[in-house]
Order: sequence, then C-alpha cells, then structure tokens
Amino acid sequence: NAGVTQTPKFQVLKTGQSMTLQCAQDMNHNSMYWYRQDPGMGLRLIYYSASEGTTDKGEVPNGYNVSRLNKREFSLRLESAAPSQTSVYFCASRDKLFTGGNQPQHFGDGTRLSIL
Amino acid sequence: SQQGEEDPQALSIQEGENATMNCSYKTSINNLQWYRQNSGRGLVHLILIRSNEREKHSGRLRVTLDTSKKSSSLLITASRAADTASYFCATDAGTSYGKLTFGQGTILTVHP
Repeated sequence: NAGVTQTPKFQVLKTGQSMTLQCAQDMNHNSMYWYRQDPGMGLRLIYYSASEGTTDKGEVPNGYNVSRLNKREFSLRLESAAPSQTSVYFCASRDKLFTGGNQPQHFGDGTRLSIL
Repeated sequence: SQQGEEDPQALSIQEGENATMNCSYKTSINNLQWYRQNSGRGLVHLILIRSNEREKHSGRLRVTLDTSKKSSSLLITASRAADTASYFCATDAGTSYGKLTFGQGTILTVHP
C-alpha cells in the first residue's frame, strides 16, 4: 500500500548538471502533479498531467520538463540545474471519479534537492 | 501571491488547548481543502469542504467556510503533541484537472 513513491529522497547537484526526479503511484489515479516547496512560499505547481498522454504547465514551469510515461509514472527533469532550483519537490496524484473536482490529492514524501 | 493566505503563520499552544487557523482566498472556488505536513514528510489530506457547505467535522477537526468573506477556518480541539505540524489550506477552482492553489501554511507547535 505504497501510495505515491518518489525517488531519490535526497540529491545534491552542481550547477549545470541534469537529473530526473521519479514519481510513481499505485492507486490507478488519472491526474498527477509536480510541486516545489520553498520556505514561506507554500507549494507551487510546476507541471501537471490531467490524464495519461497529456501534460501542461503550472505556475512555475521554467527550467523543467516532464514526462507522463504511463498511467503510474510522472517524471520531472531538470536539464541544466540552477541554484534557484534548490527546493523540496513533491509529486501528487488524484483520482477523477466525477467531473468537477472535489477530490483530494495524495502526496509523496518529497525529494530534497540542493544545487551548488 | 498565493490564492490562500493563512493566519497566523505560527501558533504555539499547550496540550489540551484548541488551535484555530484561518485561511483567506481571492477567487471563486469549488472546494477548499486542508492538509497537514509533518516535518520532513509529504502533505496529508485532512478534510474537504465544498463551496455549498458551511461547516464540516471530522473527529477533532472542525472546518468552516464563508464564501461571502472568502475565508475558512480550521479548529483542532483538545490538541495533542502529535498535532505538531504545518497546516495548509488549498483551494480548488473546479477545473477538470484538479489544480490546487496552496497557502503558505501555519506552523502549529503543541507543547506537552
């Protein structure tokens, strides 16, 4: 009963390096999301995937790309990491039982990323 | 700025006391949700209140929603040390993809 699993849990990168954050959910949810959490800023949406095969930009997409590999997996890629991308990254998923929302999101435990 | 603004930013109370957190938002919503985040962990959903509801209870949690004032409050009664966490409100405007907009959160510390 894992829910949303994120890997890795911690990562340190040098400026300019690339990496991919992995996220997988086992709840058969349709929608998946990537957020970043910075001190005093709450969570900000980077990208989301409303359903398998679709992705869209959120509030802060610059410097990131995503791939919805299949219904379970949604990855976030930093092509050329910058110190401003130091943050905690959370993946979330949500079912879509009904149109119009009213469903909570389920979160992973995050990836703590430091870029030097 | 964030859709949800929370007040206070930090709250420190003794075990057994009640804790009240407030959230204000700017635009129309379909529902408002409250989440808890323990240190070093992800967010956990606590309660969802729809825009046509005024009050909702779940165990020791009581949430109110006033759409005319665009505000919500979360009350935790008889708090415990284990309630120590950050609490976030999040608004759902009712888009088909379920986008949530989060407030900056309230850090609650409950002293034993």
